[in-house]
Amino acid sequence: KAGVTQTPRYLIKTRGQQVTLSCSPISGHRSVSWYQQTPGQGLQFLFEYFSETQRNKGNFPGRFSGRQFSNSRSEMNVSTLELGDSALYLCASSSSGKGETQYFGPGTRLLVL
Amino acid sequence: AQSVSQHNHHVILSEAASLELGCNYSYGGTVNLFWYVQYPGQHLQLLLKYFSGDPLVKGIKGFEAEFIKSKFSFNLRKPSVQWSDTAEYFCAVTRSNDYKLSFGAGTTVTVRA
Repeated sequence: KAGVTQTPRYLIKTRGQQVTLSCSPISGHRSVSWYQQTPGQGLQFLFEYFSETQRNKGNFPGRFSGRQFSNSRSEMNVSTLELGDSALYLCASSSSGKGETQYFGPGTRLLVL
Repeated sequence: AQSVSQHNHHVILSEAASLELGCNYSYGGTVNLFWYVQYPGQHLQLLLKYFSGDPLVKGIKGFEAEFIKSKFSFNLRKPSVQWSDTAEYFCAVTRSNDYKLSFGAGTTVTVRA
């Protein structure tokens, strides 16, 4: 079974721009979660989607948003990029999400200049 | 605040030495516990997990962890490390009815050949 895939793997943007990251979960998984990984803050939960609905959201500003499509693929968007948004953005999938093992993709490394 | 604490930021060992990484959490109620590993240049991979039952769980690559409920701890152990165990190790916790993983800050393990 193919793992979680994320595109693109690397991105360079400038302050003020917006960016969209994509995640395809493991086949059959309907829950997709997003995390931000930085050296200073570690791994922090952004949001979780199941059946196209956001069920849980972390403590991030409204510039961070996401959505999920009917095939369970998910996208996250960051608008008005700031230097501090430079991070590795990880996507994880699980069958239903509640308390389950989450399987992670390779991440998208975003650099904001 | 609910949190996950990993006791060591960086551990340096020689091959064949024993490894123990501490993890404590502050959540009440029923929790599911995980250890993930991130090898250099690779994505987060699940080492082992505890949901219920025998508090001593065995994972991949010779790792094991013990859940001690009274101490809110889930320590990771390996009797004899190899150079290939050089990686960053993350403890993660979720409530059994929750959708997000809360991660510790991570422990970088360097194994000298």
